[in-house]
Amino acid sequence: DVKVTQSSRYLVKRTGEKVFLECVQDMDHENMFWYRQDPGLGLRLIYFSYDVKMKEKGDIPEGYSVSREKKERFSLILESASTNQTSMYLCASSLWRVSGNTIYFGEGSWLTVV
Amino acid sequence: DQQVKQNSPSLSVQEGRISILNCDYTNSMFDYFLWYKKYPAEGPTFLISISSIKDKNEDGRFTVFLNKSAKHLSLHIVPSQPGDSAVYFCAASDEKLTFGTGTRLTIIP
Repeated sequence: DVKVTQSSRYLVKRTGEKVFLECVQDMDHENMFWYRQDPGLGLRLIYFSYDVKMKEKGDIPEGYSVSREKKERFSLILESASTNQTSMYLCASSLWRVSGNTIYFGEGSWLTVV
Repeated sequence: DQQVKQNSPSLSVQEGRISILNCDYTNSMFDYFLWYKKYPAEGPTFLISISSIKDKNEDGRFTVFLNKSAKHLSLHIVPSQPGDSAVYFCAASDEKLTFGTGTRLTIIP
């Protein structure tokens, strides 16, 4: 079974803090993704990566950055957290860069910015 | 601009009956479509997919139908069970997945 692990399930951070969300996958997948889920808006893609040290902007990259120093690890960084970044963050991975390839999600990280 | 739309935010169905969840898309370049199921406080799990060259794919109680001319797909669950109560997301693929806004399905015992 594919395992995508998000290290922090629940976080509360103050406005302006730097926040790191860590994600590790154990299936040697090439591709990794960060989404956020908000009520009525579905899942929106923040950033994705097709290889180590590669990153590409998704649909809502503003206010975020990412790091992929190792194949199995993909980190999402909020340089200066704001209240509108309160959300559920989902990391995902997939094997190939082709259409129809199933992606596998972690359990999510609930971030509250106060 | 929402390329994948699920126009029904919620749906309630009696246990044992058929649940039909709908999804519309605008981008004709999408060539795979997937359905994910999500329970509260968990990540989405893959349910079923269909290639754009097909019009139907079946897996047990779950069937996905694709109407390319209408840019519409639907997920049928027969018979519906209480454990099917969850939020269902459709997603469309052109290398990366674009998700709809989700439909909360409630199965009434």
